[in-house]
Amino acid sequence: EADIYQTPRYLVIGTGKKITLECSQTMGHDKMYWYQQDPGMELHLIHYSYGVNSTEKGDLSSESTVSRIRTEHFPLTLESARPSHTSQYLCASSESHLYGYTFGSGTRLTVV
Amino acid sequence: GNSVTQMEGPVTLSEEAFLTINCTYTATGYPSLFWYVQYPGEGLQLLLKATKADDKGSNKGFEATYRKETTSFHLEKGSVQVSDSAVYFCALRLTGGGNKLTFGTGTQLKVEL
Repeated sequence: EADIYQTPRYLVIGTGKKITLECSQTMGHDKMYWYQQDPGMELHLIHYSYGVNSTEKGDLSSESTVSRIRTEHFPLTLESARPSHTSQYLCASSESHLYGYTFGSGTRLTVV
Repeated sequence: GNSVTQMEGPVTLSEEAFLTINCTYTATGYPSLFWYVQYPGEGLQLLLKATKADDKGSNKGFEATYRKETTSFHLEKGSVQVSDSAVYFCALRLTGGGNKLTFGTGTQLKVEL
């Protein structure tokens, strides 16, 4: 039973459109993360948050932006989608370092 | 910096074969170590973890032992099934550094009848 939810699961959208990928968790975790996963499987951290009103850029530069207005919600926005944004986006949340992350099922984005 | 190195895939095995997926790490402190599994079209699921040296994590027949002397956390299973076909990620997490997970590049496992 998933405690972290991502919507939509699949999205096909035209170039130039603005999109928001939703991520919500019910576990009360302070830390949340967004990863981009390329077809070669490798995971790239693009954004993270340590709590409300805290957001940081990750290891991979991304044109997307995030917000953290509520603990449970960590949406990712692309102002103008491009084909190079086609990828799978995974959201995760966590407690302390002794624990791993809990991942959502991902959003597979295709920009045409 | 911190890094995780996994053996490259794909690894192709027959059902009931023994599985080893190698994982070694470099870390500036004392990390917690994790194995995640990703089934096709899904997100990552935590498979097992170990938080200190000599700890053994185990789940669903998979095991991995935290070896500080060799900085390794190899994943093993005595008898794989077709349903184990997935991508496996090794990861580490330190107490500081924002508690972010550092992932390996993933190893695809294919199990055939």
